[in-house]
Amino acid sequence: KAGVTQTPRYLIKTRGQQVTLSCSPISGHRSVSWYQQTPGQGLQFLFEYFSETQRNKGNFPGRFSGRQFSNSRSEMNVSTLELGDSALYLCASSNVVYEQYFGPGTRLTVT
Amino acid sequence: AQTVTQSQPEMSVQEAETVTLSCTYDTSESNYYLFWYKQPPSRQMILVIRQEAYKQQNATENRFSVNFQKAAKSFSLKISDSQLGDTAMYFCAFMKHGYGGSQGNLIFGKGTKLSVKP
Repeated sequence: KAGVTQTPRYLIKTRGQQVTLSCSPISGHRSVSWYQQTPGQGLQFLFEYFSETQRNKGNFPGRFSGRQFSNSRSEMNVSTLELGDSALYLCASSNVVYEQYFGPGTRLTVT
Repeated sequence: AQTVTQSQPEMSVQEAETVTLSCTYDTSESNYYLFWYKQPPSRQMILVIRQEAYKQQNATENRFSVNFQKAAKSFSLKISDSQLGDTAMYFCAFMKHGYGGSQGNLIFGKGTKLSVKP
């Protein structure tokens, strides 16, 4: 079974721009969660989607948004990028067994 | 709110020896799950082991085992016969039981950097 895939793997953007990251979960997994990893703040939860509905949301500003499609693929969007948004963005998919499997991440650099 | 604390920022161990990584957590939930994840230099987060809070028996996966002390809210990871490939950042994580199809979210500790030396 193929693992979680994330695209792109690396991204460089300028302050003020917006960015869209994509995540394809493991086949059969319906829940997708997003996390931000930075050296200072560690791993922080962004949001979780299940059956195309946002079920949980972390403590991030409204500039961070996401969605999930009928095939369970998910995208997250960050608008009006700030330098502090530079991070590794991790996507995780899960089934009903309470195990989250992570993708390789997207490294976003904001200049 | 739940918190997860890993008090050892860095540890090292000789190849083939045993090492234990510590983790404590705080929660008022009664139904939850605990995890250890490994993140090698490649940055790929890998699930090492999972423990359901309602199970008294400690989880074991090959060379990896946990010591789950529910009353003390302690969840340590023991790695036996350490191998060079075990060199990684190890994260302890907590997830409360979700409802209505929600899996809930993982709450991570700050991590322990483990180096296995030849």
